[in-house]
Amino acid sequence: DAGVIQSPRHEVTEMGQEVTLRCKPISGHDYLFWYRQTMMRGLELLIYFNNNVPIDDSGMPEDRFSAKMPNASFSTLKIQPSEPRDSAVYFCASSLVGTTEQYFGPGTRLTVT
Amino acid sequence: DQQVKQNSPSLSVQEGRISILNCDYTNSMFDYFLWYKKYPAEGPTFLISISSIKDKNEDGRFTVFLNKSAKHLSLHIVPSQPGDSAVYFCAARDGSNYQLIWGAGTKLIIKP
Repeated sequence: DAGVIQSPRHEVTEMGQEVTLRCKPISGHDYLFWYRQTMMRGLELLIYFNNNVPIDDSGMPEDRFSAKMPNASFSTLKIQPSEPRDSAVYFCASSLVGTTEQYFGPGTRLTVT
Repeated sequence: DQQVKQNSPSLSVQEGRISILNCDYTNSMFDYFLWYKKYPAEGPTFLISISSIKDKNEDGRFTVFLNKSAKHLSLHIVPSQPGDSAVYFCAARDGSNYQLIWGAGTKLIIKP
């Protein structure tokens, strides 16, 4: 199994630009999670999906952030417009219904200048 | 309001000795506790978990202990190996919504 795949691994962009992060969960997993990790706030949940449906987006910091899951094998997290304070590592994770473990991708390191 | 706390930012242990990582929590609704290991430039990797109805779970060199009355859990690694050097995260599952709440992590350094 390929594990959770995220792209790009690194993204550097200028303030005001749109950023799109991509995730392919493990095949067969029902849940998909987007996390953000910063030095100040640690690992925080932004949004999660069950069977492609967003269940809880209360962690999404602002309306500038949006996430979609058009099918079971693909999700995007979009930031528009981006700001320097969005600089962080963004992780995608997936899990199987009935289990507790979440499997993480390698993360996308986003730098907004 | 930190519901899951890892009070030691870092820990240094001699190779071959026991490493003990600690985690405290406040929410009685947590029904599962998990430990993850994270290397630089990689995502967290699941290590071991324990249900709130148990007090110990063992997997090879890794043992997790849960003390519900103290709302405390610990991860023991015996013997510690150089490859164990990583950041260890404690996470707790909220039984009401199944979300994981994460601690801030402890950086474990194994000295040769």
